[in-house]
Amino acid sequence: SQQGEEDPQALSIQEGENATMNCSYKTSINNLQWYRQNSGRGLVHLILIRSNEREKHSGRLRVTLDTSKKSSSLLITASRAADTASYFCATDPYNAGNMLTFGGGTRLMVKP
Amino acid sequence: ETGVTQSPTHLIKTRGQQVTLRCSSQSGHNTVSWYQQALGQGPQFIFQYYREEENGRGNFPPRFSGLQFPNYSSELNVNALELDDSALYLCASSVQGGNSPLHFGNGTRLTVT
Repeated sequence: SQQGEEDPQALSIQEGENATMNCSYKTSINNLQWYRQNSGRGLVHLILIRSNEREKHSGRLRVTLDTSKKSSSLLITASRAADTASYFCATDPYNAGNMLTFGGGTRLMVKP
Repeated sequence: ETGVTQSPTHLIKTRGQQVTLRCSSQSGHNTVSWYQQALGQGPQFIFQYYREEENGRGNFPPRFSGLQFPNYSSELNVNALELDDSALYLCASSVQGGNSPLHFGNGTRLTVT
């Protein structure tokens, strides 16, 4: 079963626009992570936000975390065609050492 | 720094057969996890190995088993293959600890006919 659910399931934007993806989860967490997956390939870690953090930045990425609402968002600013990929949020609901539960993902298409 | 490598990249098996997938961890990583990703879905946690022992398992039956070797490489074995086992199998290595990100290989695409 999926711990997290991403919203929207699919997103299509023009190059230069911002893309926002949301993630909701069900149990208490130690941290929340975002990963990216290009078609048919492995996942690449983007950013990790700890439960005591509210916002984190990495380059064009901005992640927020609201533990009271059990939700997170990933913002990609000034998107590029190369950002086209699936994006997944992941949590470790057992706090057992990175045994992650992933959401179903948001499929982002950035049109040139 | 050598990344996570998986073999083979693609595999076709018949229902009822057995399969072994292999993974070499990134250097310096002592933990390996396996995930199953069905088409159009997120990865699902199968199990994790640390110090050559299984130290966590997801909701998968016992016919899914694994090994971790002293050099931290790993195998995933699946017996009595079923059609629903068709998926992308991802290996991920990390350093033991809750805030260590996973480093994934590119996966093995298994098709069961």
